[in-house]
Amino acid sequence: QKEVEQNSGPLSVPEGAIASLNCTYSDRGSQSFFWYRQYSGKSPELIMSIYSNGDQEDGRFTAQLNKASQYVSLLIRDSQPSDSATYLCAVKGTGTASKLTFGTGTRLQVTL
Amino acid sequence: DAGVIQSPRHEVTEMGQEVTLRCKPISGHDYLFWYRQTMMRGLELLIYFNNNVPIDDSGMPEDRFSAKMPNASFSTLKIQPSEPRDSAVYFCASSPHQQPQHFGDGTRLSIL
Repeated sequence: QKEVEQNSGPLSVPEGAIASLNCTYSDRGSQSFFWYRQYSGKSPELIMSIYSNGDQEDGRFTAQLNKASQYVSLLIRDSQPSDSATYLCAVKGTGTASKLTFGTGTRLQVTL
Repeated sequence: DAGVIQSPRHEVTEMGQEVTLRCKPISGHDYLFWYRQTMMRGLELLIYFNNNVPIDDSGMPEDRFSAKMPNASFSTLKIQPSEPRDSAVYFCASSPHQQPQHFGDGTRLSIL
């Protein structure tokens, strides 16, 4: 079983719709969760961090965390073509200082 | 602020040659990470340092790979001898303690 799992996609949504990306993790003691966006040929860029159960909002982005279900998600409202990228879920496990484990990413395509 | 700086951006060399990748972390960040990214395996952590000391090198694929951090502002990842299967994008990232990681632009390595 992979430590951090994501659907590879592609996830295709029309412009203006809500994109929902999901991630599950295996380490029940994990405390910190991050979403990175990676455009093709570019480096991962941090877009959201979440540390406690519930929602964390930043502009059009909302991260949701449910530790009981070991599930973290990213919602993108009013999706734009510029949101088309691969979204990587990253989890900091227990006792690992700042070490992150990344999922393989979900490719999002926002269509016109 | 200057981000994580990696060099070279691209490297093409023949198998058997030594390859050295370089990284300058963000000033004040005491953690430094080396990752490798391929289509097949996604983003893999190779090694990370805390205060210039290697903490976890369990991701280093084999003895051909070595990494050093002689001071707080410089790290190298060396492959000797290189093989075609080492072809990938290599990222360096840095972070303060318990904070999200910030990635450099990466080195695209091709071993012929």
